[in-house]
Amino acid sequence: GNSVTQMEGPVTLSEEAFLTINCTYTATGYPSLFWYVQYPGEGLQLLLKATKADDKGSNKGFEATYRKETTSFHLEKGSVQVSDSAVYFCALTPTGANSKLTFGKGITLSVRP
Amino acid sequence: NAGVTQTPKFRVLKTGQSMTLLCAQDMNHEYMYWYRQDPGMGLRLIHYSVGEGTTAKGEVPDGYNVSRLKKQNFLLGLESAAPSQTSVYFCASSWGETGELFFGEGSRLTVL
Repeated sequence: GNSVTQMEGPVTLSEEAFLTINCTYTATGYPSLFWYVQYPGEGLQLLLKATKADDKGSNKGFEATYRKETTSFHLEKGSVQVSDSAVYFCALTPTGANSKLTFGKGITLSVRP
Repeated sequence: NAGVTQTPKFRVLKTGQSMTLLCAQDMNHEYMYWYRQDPGMGLRLIHYSVGEGTTAKGEVPDGYNVSRLKKQNFLLGLESAAPSQTSVYFCASSWGETGELFFGEGSRLTVL
């Protein structure tokens, strides 16, 4: 079956530090990959996505590259801000079947001033 | 800019009581979903709908029922609540098979 594995958290960083959050996946075929973010007290919102191998998704200074050879979709940001403190979820959907979006367990990021 | 609205946002139930969570979306989306979020478990799909009048089971459907009588509304029902159903419930919607979901703010349910 399909699955998403995220690195264990929580992660605490100082403002302006470099961020990497690891995500690997197991899926048949060519899934689409997503990062969702959940700010405190809110629902999830789409941060970025990539739909095919070598695609790079980017938004709000965050980036992730779809690596089929390593089945990974790691999230990176060069300089985090306090406002980036949130829970980050990696997710995938098989081709043509978005009704079964599979989420990772999520990781909490806290950024200190 | 209502988007996806869930009611109620908080509820405390006793074991065996019933309740309904309402989700409403104003984006004319075909697909709607109910997820539950538990610590260390991520989000798990309970039920979903691909259009008015349709429903389907997700990953953890037991103990829940749903209805989609109107395109804009998706109801999640608990007929006999159990402590294991204590969770935060999220409704989401999407316009098509893109994986791009729009989420509500969540409903925190506690079953004593």
